[in-house]
Amino acid sequence: EAGVAQSPRYKIIEKRQSVAFWCNPISGHATLYWYQQILGQGPKLLIQFQNNGVVDDSQLPKDRFSAERLKGVDSTLKIQPAKLEDSAVYLCASSLGTGSYEQYFGPGTRLTVT
Amino acid sequence: QKEVEQNSGPLSVPEGAIASLNCTYSDRVSQSFFWYRQYSGKSPELIMSIYSNGDKEDGRFTAQLNKASQYVSLLIRDSQPSDSATYLCAVIRSNDYKLSFGAGTTVTVRA
Repeated sequence: EAGVAQSPRYKIIEKRQSVAFWCNPISGHATLYWYQQILGQGPKLLIQFQNNGVVDDSQLPKDRFSAERLKGVDSTLKIQPAKLEDSAVYLCASSLGTGSYEQYFGPGTRLTVT
Repeated sequence: QKEVEQNSGPLSVPEGAIASLNCTYSDRVSQSFFWYRQYSGKSPELIMSIYSNGDKEDGRFTAQLNKASQYVSLLIRDSQPSDSATYLCAVIRSNDYKLSFGAGTTVTVRA
């Protein structure tokens, strides 16, 4: 079974530029999550999708971050404009759905904002 | 009080020894608990899940849960250099079913 796919793996941009990350969850997984992980900390949830609907985006800085999962499968997370403090690893995870809480992570995208 | 707290580490153990990792959580009615392993520069990998009080064994790993004490631990028996990683404790919050992570404990196994 293929795991969670993410791209790109690395990205370096200047502050105020925009960037987009892509995620394809494990086949059949209804729930998709985007996390931000800063060095030395545990992952922090940014947004959760159930199929193509948003379940929770309370921690998403909506003035600069946006995310979508239009067809209920793959998802895109965008940052515009980026700030220096956005430098982090962006992790996508998926789980089967309601009642199943085991989450499986993709390889992540390491973002450096200069 | 943090939702999930772990030993700050780092924890250094000799090869073949038992590594003991501890985690406490604040949500008294949490029901689902997980341990993730994260190698340097890699993403978290789910290695154990536990839902009931007591011990759960999987190979060289044993998870222990004590809901009354709000405590979950991970034992790594016969530690190998390949076990050197950061171990993240994660708990499902009962109010919104979100996964809350600790900051992780870094384990180094000395050959």
